[in-house]
Amino acid sequence: QVHLVQSGAEVKKPGASVKVSCKASGYTFTTYGISWVRQAPGQGLEWMGWVSAYNGNTNYARKVQGRVTMTTDTTTSTAYMELRSLRSDDTAIYYCARDTYSSTWYAFDYWGQGTLVTVSS
Amino acid sequence: DIQMTQSPSSLSASVGDRVSITCRASQSISTYLNWYLQKPGKAPKLLIYAASSLQSGVPSRFSGSGSGTDFTLTISSLQPEDFGTYYCQQSYSDPGFGPGTKVDIK
Repeated sequence: QVHLVQSGAEVKKPGASVKVSCKASGYTFTTYGISWVRQAPGQGLEWMGWVSAYNGNTNYARKVQGRVTMTTDTTTSTAYMELRSLRSDDTAIYYCARDTYSSTWYAFDYWGQGTLVTVSS
Repeated sequence: DIQMTQSPSSLSASVGDRVSITCRASQSISTYLNWYLQKPGKAPKLLIYAASSLQSGVPSRFSGSGSGTDFTLTISSLQPEDFGTYYCQQSYSDPGFGPGTKVDIK
């Protein structure tokens, strides 16, 4: 069965960077993309961007463009999300999710367990 | 950007009730609309994709309808395990989520 297992919680100071990993298993990694979605405490869900596990193509949300880099390592079936110049409002749970799609739809069918990133001085 | 709204923002219902949640997009998104349920402390779970298609393993009491700008998620007979926050999400353009509808069991 499909599993996405994320790295552990992080505490960072403002201005620092964080890199969260998402290890996939149970499917052919390069067949699907990975999206990253975050959720600030008590708030809703915010899509941050997408990376293709097939060719590394990316598409980032305007809000984090310039501060985020999403990559994959096909040898270990792992996706990574690095966020730089951290601010207090980046404090959130960060989820990876598998993209599934056809010609007429696109959704996130499997999710990681989430990684809490706390930004605090 | 496409803005998503949901109503109500919260509701309380009894086991066995029929429950409906509405999602509206700021522009037409055809049927590029998905529904997720998030329980406290857990990741969201896909329930419905393409507005009306039931994700594998999801109970048939869940159904979705709509196209264009107006969509509805219906739970035909609410069960205790259905509590949590329901989110709609458009995938017509860069993905965006609605603000959520919190469902409590009376």
